[in-house]
Amino acid sequence: DSGVTQTPKHLITATGQRVTLRCSPRSGDLSVYWYQQSLDQGLQFLIQYYNGEERAKGNILERFSAQQFPDLHSELNLSSLELGDSALYFCASSPFENTEAFFGQGTRLTVV
Amino acid sequence: ELKVEQNPLFLSMQEGKNYTIYCNYSTTSDRLYWYRQDPGKSLESLFVLLSNGAVKQEGRLMASLDTKARLSTLHITAAVHDLSATYFCAVAGTGANNLFFGTGTRLTVIP
Repeated sequence: DSGVTQTPKHLITATGQRVTLRCSPRSGDLSVYWYQQSLDQGLQFLIQYYNGEERAKGNILERFSAQQFPDLHSELNLSSLELGDSALYFCASSPFENTEAFFGQGTRLTVV
Repeated sequence: ELKVEQNPLFLSMQEGKNYTIYCNYSTTSDRLYWYRQDPGKSLESLFVLLSNGAVKQEGRLMASLDTKARLSTLHITAAVHDLSATYFCAVAGTGANNLFFGTGTRLTVIP
């Protein structure tokens, strides 16, 4: 167990809907990262937050957004969902910006 | 954008045999990681390689890094069934901590 907690573990929703994925980082970690793992695209970096501020952006769609709250937990919001958004979404956290990040168990999103 | 190539994609090997997985990346990087992933599970960190010539070993797995060639290898010695999993290399951009992942190598160890 890495100490990074993601909820829910599984999510099934319909196309066009909106969902929120939640991540609680390891105790003391200031940086949170979101990754998407799909059969088509492999593992892709989406976005990074550090102590509440956005730090880096990867291949994140405009329909997706994220934030990190004062208690350091983070949420990834996915809207206008499409079948192709079905994937495993991982959150990772690290103490600082250039230290090793540890991954949560992931949220498996299925869009039907 | 940093590109990471990993090969082979699939590897089927007999127990007791040795094999190497290769990871090439396109631009300079601070750090290279190797991860293991079991089906439907999270990413388990195996090794972090920080400098040219770095070599790390844990059990039957040994990882090395050649920053000049932009190449890392994961060597498997005397494979056992428990090593069956997908192995990813991931590279951090210089001064950044977001990772660029290879395609993964799905390893199956056959008794």
